[in-house]
Amino acid sequence: KQEVTQIPAALSVPEGENLVLNCSFTDSAIYNLQWFRQDPGKGLTSLLLIQSSQREQTSGRLNASLDKSSGRSTLYIAASQPGDSATYLCAVDFGNEKLTFGTGTRLTIIP
Amino acid sequence: NAGVMQNPRHLVRRRGQEARLRCSPMKGHSHVYWYRQLPEEGLKFMVYLQKENIIDESGMPKERFSAEFPKEGPSILRIQQVVRGDSAAYFCASSPRLAGAFNEQFFGPGTRLTVL
Repeated sequence: KQEVTQIPAALSVPEGENLVLNCSFTDSAIYNLQWFRQDPGKGLTSLLLIQSSQREQTSGRLNASLDKSSGRSTLYIAASQPGDSATYLCAVDFGNEKLTFGTGTRLTIIP
Repeated sequence: NAGVMQNPRHLVRRRGQEARLRCSPMKGHSHVYWYRQLPEEGLKFMVYLQKENIIDESGMPKERFSAEFPKEGPSILRIQQVVRGDSAAYFCASSPRLAGAFNEQFFGPGTRLTVL
């Protein structure tokens, strides 16, 4: 069964710190992996997409890595800010043209 | 280029009524996906459509739920005889799904359905 897991479910860090969010998936034969941000009661904002042939993608203070052999992806956030507080979702396209989502990590940045 | 549009943003229905949720994909996108987010749960795939075709409906409940994406107009997710368990946020995403392209999915703001 193709599953996506995100641990921890919640994370609190002081403002200014660098942090890493984790995502693991059960099937290494993926097509791509997307990281999203969701604010309470809002929709999803796409942050980064990594194709199966890529190892990482960067956008501003965000860096996402992909290790298919170990079934893992990480989202690195540098110099965290209170505005980064949100739920971060990892989603995998296993090649069947639909996204399988993790349950997310709820991030709180403490001013 | 407007993003994915969904309406209504909030919908309240009584048990037994019908709910119609609409999704207009981004310009140039011909592939639409519907996902459901139940309270305190992750997003779950429901159905994948192209214009006038249902490609994958493996995530759709077998009864009361249907989806369409006509040649003209928005995609419609229809829920007949709603029950309280249908209360959730319903998200639509679109993708160009071109060969060799990234095929990133772009999400709309969602429709929050409340069944009384």
